[in-house]
Amino acid sequence: KAGVTQTPRYLIKTRGQQVTLSCSPISGHRSVSWYQQTPGQGLQFLFEYFSETQRNKGNFPGRFSGRQFSNSRSEMNVSTLELGDSALYLCASSLVASGDLDNEQFFGPGTRLTVL
Amino acid sequence: EDQVTQSPEALRLQEGESSSLNCSYTVSGLRGLFWYRQDPGKGPEFLFTLYSAGEEKEKERLKATLTKKESFLHITAPKPEDSATYLCAVTSGGSYIPTFGRGTSLIVHP
Repeated sequence: KAGVTQTPRYLIKTRGQQVTLSCSPISGHRSVSWYQQTPGQGLQFLFEYFSETQRNKGNFPGRFSGRQFSNSRSEMNVSTLELGDSALYLCASSLVASGDLDNEQFFGPGTRLTVL
Repeated sequence: EDQVTQSPEALRLQEGESSSLNCSYTVSGLRGLFWYRQDPGKGPEFLFTLYSAGEEKEKERLKATLTKKESFLHITAPKPEDSATYLCAVTSGGSYIPTFGRGTSLIVHP
């Protein structure tokens, strides 16, 4: 069974630009969560989508947004990029929504975003 | 606010030298505690979920245990391929948002 795929794997942008990252979950999984991972802050939750609805949102500014399509694929958008947005952005899919038992998350390889 | 503290930050072991990693947590009603393994340049890989104090789960050389305040990941007779960063996360009844610890970087020397 194919795992979680994320595109692109690497991205370089400049301050002020915007970026869109894509995530394709494991077939049959309806929950997609996004995380930011940095050496300074570790792994931090951004938001979760389940059946095209945002269920939970972490403590990030409104520049970070996302959406989920009917086929469960998800995109994450960051507008007006700042230097501090440089990070590894990870997507994780799950069969069930957060809060449900056995909510095992399967992570993709991540997108490495560098903001210059 | 949920808090997760992992110790030690880094651990170096010789092949075959068993040890334990610690994950201490503060939550308002634990819903689940998760262990992940992360290799360099890759996303975390799910290992275990524990739900209640006294619960234990095993997978090959790894064994996870849970008390009301902390979880241990015991590594028995580790091999170099066990080298990775091990992450702990919790979800609580008050929030379904997982809170991750900073991880323990494990290096096993042959």
